[in-house]
Amino acid sequence: QVTLKESGPALVKPTQTLTLTCTFSGFSLSTSGMRVSWIRQPPGKALEWLARIDWEDDKFYSTSLKTRLTISKDTSKNQVVLRMTNMDPVDTATYYCARITGGFGGSYFDYWGQGTLVTVSS
Amino acid sequence: QSVLTQPPSVSGAPGQRVTISCTGSSSNIGAGYDVHWYQQLPGTAPKLLIYDNSNRPSGVPDRFSGSKSGTSASLAITGLQAEDEADYYCQSYDSSLSGSEVVFGGGTKLTVL
Repeated sequence: QVTLKESGPALVKPTQTLTLTCTFSGFSLSTSGMRVSWIRQPPGKALEWLARIDWEDDKFYSTSLKTRLTISKDTSKNQVVLRMTNMDPVDTATYYCARITGGFGGSYFDYWGQGTLVTVSS
Repeated sequence: QSVLTQPPSVSGAPGQRVTISCTGSSSNIGAGYDVHWYQQLPGTAPKLLIYDNSNRPSGVPDRFSGSKSGTSASLAITGLQAEDEADYYCQSYDSSLSGSEVVFGGGTKLTVL
């Protein structure tokens, strides 16, 4: 059974760095083909893809946010960590982690975490 | 605005059929990338509904179907039920000079009348 769960601060101040952790079970990021992404959703708005990390430690980022994002993994702990610098109120959103299935150009998110709401406010 | 365009809202009466469109361009759907659909019930995480244009994961009723043609894709829901009231998102890949990345549609709110 595949599960993912996000954790991190519910409130961050503007200019601070956000660190979120995705703890998963039911698969291993050391297994060939396994990948995990972060996706966010501002209140009442659409989904936005942020970043992805692969079993080989390849990393990919949203073009518009790549200067602010860092994704990493701890295979021994079954965790993926996302860091986002210089937080702004517009970054207020529910942040999801999700497992990826499928090949390049056809990959999709088959399992999602429940999401964690992060509010950016002073 | 989103790279993939969806109507903000659609509605239908119980038992009816509705369709939700997802319009892209030559750098995403038109480039041959697959389209996937997610259902997001109020207050919950998105759930995979259709993958690879027209395939349903185990457990998804066959009332849901997907198709793709040219630079667009569609999600059809037949025999509408009250429990289908949710937001629906399409997802694909976009490849440009700056690289390739996952893209989502802006979402469509389905109201069951």
